[in-house]
This record gives sequence, structure tokens and C-alpha cells, in this order.
Amino acid sequence: NAGVTQTPKFRVLKTGQSMTLLCAQDMNHEYMYWYRQDPGMGLRLIHYSVGEGTTAKGEVPDGYNVSRLKKQNFLLGLESAAPSQTSVYFCASSFPQGLAGYNEQFFGPGTRLTVL
Amino acid sequence: AQSVTQPDIHITVSEGASLELRCNYSYGATPYLFWYVQSPGQGLQLLLKYFSGDTLVQGIKGFEAEFKRSQSSFNLRKPSVHCRDAAEYFCAVGAQSSNYQLIWGAGTKVIIKP
Repeated sequence: NAGVTQTPKFRVLKTGQSMTLLCAQDMNHEYMYWYRQDPGMGLRLIHYSVGEGTTAKGEVPDGYNVSRLKKQNFLLGLESAAPSQTSVYFCASSFPQGLAGYNEQFFGPGTRLTVL
Repeated sequence: AQSVTQPDIHITVSEGASLELRCNYSYGATPYLFWYVQSPGQGLQLLLKYFSGDTLVQGIKGFEAEFKRSQSSFNLRKPSVHCRDAAEYFCAVGAQSSNYQLIWGAGTKVIIKP
């Protein structure tokens, strides 16, 4: 099993350009998440999905869109990149446990994005 | 507002010494608690989790954590660290009212002196 994979690993964009980050998991997990990680700020949730065809906003959704057309894939889009979106982006997936739905999240290796 | 605090941004310990990382949370409901480790250039890996039951939780890599409800804390410990324990450690908390979202601490970077 590959676990959670992310494509690409690195990317440099110019302000105003668009791009899509791809996350794929082969663990049949229901939940998937997109985070950004900035120094001193921990992880901040951008969007998440609790199942195929469903998405929801997290803590910092502005400037991003997501889609989950297939259970195993979760795409993060930047329509018009800004320097403030320079960050490391992590995808994670999990299988809900119990009524509250929490369980271990499995993380991908990250995508380092620089917006000039 | 719900929050997670890791008071120490950096901790430096000598190889072979003990390590304790602090995590405090603010939630009204019973929390779900996690500790993750991030090695340089890597994604995050779960060390241990607490959902209920015994408040002393054993994890991987020789780590343990203790949930103290009265102190709203979930501190991570290791009796004797190795150079490979140099990494950043994150505490995360979920609550039933949070709708599947974890709230993350800012992380503590652990530096190991040879």
C-alpha cells in the first residue's frame, strides 16, 4: 500500500496563476483533509471531506476550492495564487471511529508551494 | 474558543536524558487527544492517541502520554531520548462539537545534543 500520496512535491507559481494539488489514498478511508503548515502556526485546516461527493470548509478556506469526485482522491485548487498562499500543504485521510468520528489521520509527504 | 497550547516552541535535551512536552487544551466536552511527530521534510506520524479509559497511554517509539482532566493537559514523555527523536511534535485535540476537525497546537521542536 502506498498510503497517502501527493502530487506534486514542489511547485513555484507566479501571482495569479492557478494550479491543482492531487491527493490520493489507497486505504479506503472515508474522511480526507487538506491542511497548510506555516512556521509557528501548526496545521490549519483548509477544507475537508467526510465522503465521496461531499466537502466542507475548514479554518482557512478562502482562496481554495476542493473536489472529491472519487473516494480515493481529494483535489485542492488555487484559482488565482497569491504570495500569502506560499506554504507547505498536507493531505490526510482517516477512517471514522465512534460517534464523534475521530481516529488517526494518515498524512501524505506534503507539497511545498512558493508563490512569487 | 477552543484552543490547544504547546507552551514550548523549542526544547533542547541531551541524548539519554528524559523528555517531557507539554500540551494544554481548552474544551468543555470530553476531548479526543493525539500526539504526532514530524521528522524534517516528512509528513506527520501518529505517536499515540487517547479516547477514553486508562489515562496513561503508551505509544510508538517509546513515548507515553498522560491525560489529566483536572489540568486540561496531555503531556508527552520519553524516559531516554535518542538523536533520532529530533523532530517537531504536535498535539491535537478533537471534541464532539468540532465536527471531525482536529485543533492543532503550534508544535514543539525538539533538539537533541549529542
